[in-house]
Amino acid sequence: DAMVIQNPRYQVTQFGKPVTLSCSQTLNHNVMYWYQQKSSQAPKLLFHYYDKDFNNEADTPDNFQSRRPNTSFCFLDIRSPGLGDAAMYLCATSRDRALQETQYFGPGTRLLVL
Amino acid sequence: GQQLNQSPQSMFIQEGEDVSMNCTSSSIFNTWLWYKQEPGEGPVLLIALYKAGELTSNGRLTAQFGITRKDSFLNISASIPSDVGIYFCAGLLRGGADGLTFGKGTHLIIQP
Repeated sequence: DAMVIQNPRYQVTQFGKPVTLSCSQTLNHNVMYWYQQKSSQAPKLLFHYYDKDFNNEADTPDNFQSRRPNTSFCFLDIRSPGLGDAAMYLCATSRDRALQETQYFGPGTRLLVL
Repeated sequence: GQQLNQSPQSMFIQEGEDVSMNCTSSSIFNTWLWYKQEPGEGPVLLIALYKAGELTSNGRLTAQFGITRKDSFLNISASIPSDVGIYFCAGLLRGGADGLTFGKGTHLIIQP
C-alpha cells in the first residue's frame, strides 16, 4: 500500500563517487519534491518537478541534479558526494501546486559518505 | 527564506499527560501542516489546515490554524508511549511552488 517509495533505504558511497537515489509514486501526483534532512534538523527543499518542469532552489548546490523520466519516477543524482552530503534524503509528492494540496513523504534514503 | 519558530524544542512528559506545541511566523501562510517523524522514517502527515481559524482533530490530536494565519498549534491529549517522535509544523506559502517551510521540530519523549 506504499504510496511514495524510496530505494534503497540506506546507501553507502565513497567520497566523490556519483550516486543516484530513486523515488517512485503510485499516486499519479503531478509534483515531486526532493528534500535533504541532516541530523536533528528540519527537511530542506532541494528542488521539485511540476510535471516535467524542473524548479531548483536558489541555494541548492550544482552537485545535486534530478531527473524525472515519467510521472511515477524521480531520481536524485549527486555527482561528487562530499562528507557534508551525508544526510537523509526525502522524496515527497503532491497532486498539484495549488494551495490546498498536501505533500506526502516517502520513508527516505539515508546516505552515508565514506 | 521564511522562518517558522516552533516551540518547545523538546518535551519530557509522563504517559497520560496532555501535550501542546506551537509554531509562529512573521509571514502569512496559506496552509499549515503537522507531521510526525520517527527515527529513520519520513515525516507522516497528521493534520492539514487550510483556513484561518480552522480547528481540526485526528483522534487524540487537535490542531488549529491561527486567525492571523501566522501561527498554529498542535495538542495531543492523554499521551501514550507510541506518541514518541519528532513533530514538525510546516507551512505552505504559494501553492507548493516553494515547497514546505518546516519548523525545527519538537522532540517528544514520554516516560511510562
